[in-house]
Amino acid sequence: ETGVTQSPTHLIKTRGQQVTLRCSSQSGHNTVSWYQQALGQGPQFIFQYYREEENGRGNFPPRFSGLQFPNYSSELNVNALELDDSALYLCASSAGQGRNQPQHFGDGTRLSIL
Amino acid sequence: DQQVKQNSPSLSVQEGRISILNCDYTNSMFDYFLWYKKYPAEGPTFLISISSIKDKNEDGRFTVFLNKSAKHLSLHIVPSQPGDSAVYFCAASARGGSGNTGKLIFGQGTTLQVKP
Repeated sequence: ETGVTQSPTHLIKTRGQQVTLRCSSQSGHNTVSWYQQALGQGPQFIFQYYREEENGRGNFPPRFSGLQFPNYSSELNVNALELDDSALYLCASSAGQGRNQPQHFGDGTRLSIL
Repeated sequence: DQQVKQNSPSLSVQEGRISILNCDYTNSMFDYFLWYKKYPAEGPTFLISISSIKDKNEDGRFTVFLNKSAKHLSLHIVPSQPGDSAVYFCAASARGGSGNTGKLIFGQGTTLQVKP
């Protein structure tokens, strides 16, 4: 059974640039959620995708957007990068719509904004 | 507004003893709770969960207790091992809301150190 994989592992960008992060869900999982984890904090929910549609969104601006593909893999896109976007971005997959099902996380992408 | 709080940033216990990690929440709509363990440079690893219809769930050395009236849950690790040293996060999700999302709300984490 293949777990959740994320790419790249590390990324350095400058303010104003755009970035795309990728996630492959665990085998058999059709729901993908994205979280942002700042240093010393718990992960914060960005949004969730179920069957290729956004299924809930946290308190993040529209410049954070995503996609889910027919194979349930997903992308997180962030436009007009700001210094505060520096964080660990975590992808998690789960079965169904994730209700009362544990979400399984990848190792994350560490994004640094200069 | 921190809906899930882990008030102890760190905890140190001796190998073989019990580790008790605590978590408080404020949202009475939360009905599913989880504990995750996180090592440096890795993503959170799911440990154990509990539904609000239960007050206890056990899996090997790990037991989670839920006290709904106090809006409090705890994770007991018995016996503690040096390999348990990590950051532990509690998380919760709420019934209802739009989209029936499984959105998780996390606490800030507690760093557990188990000394040999």
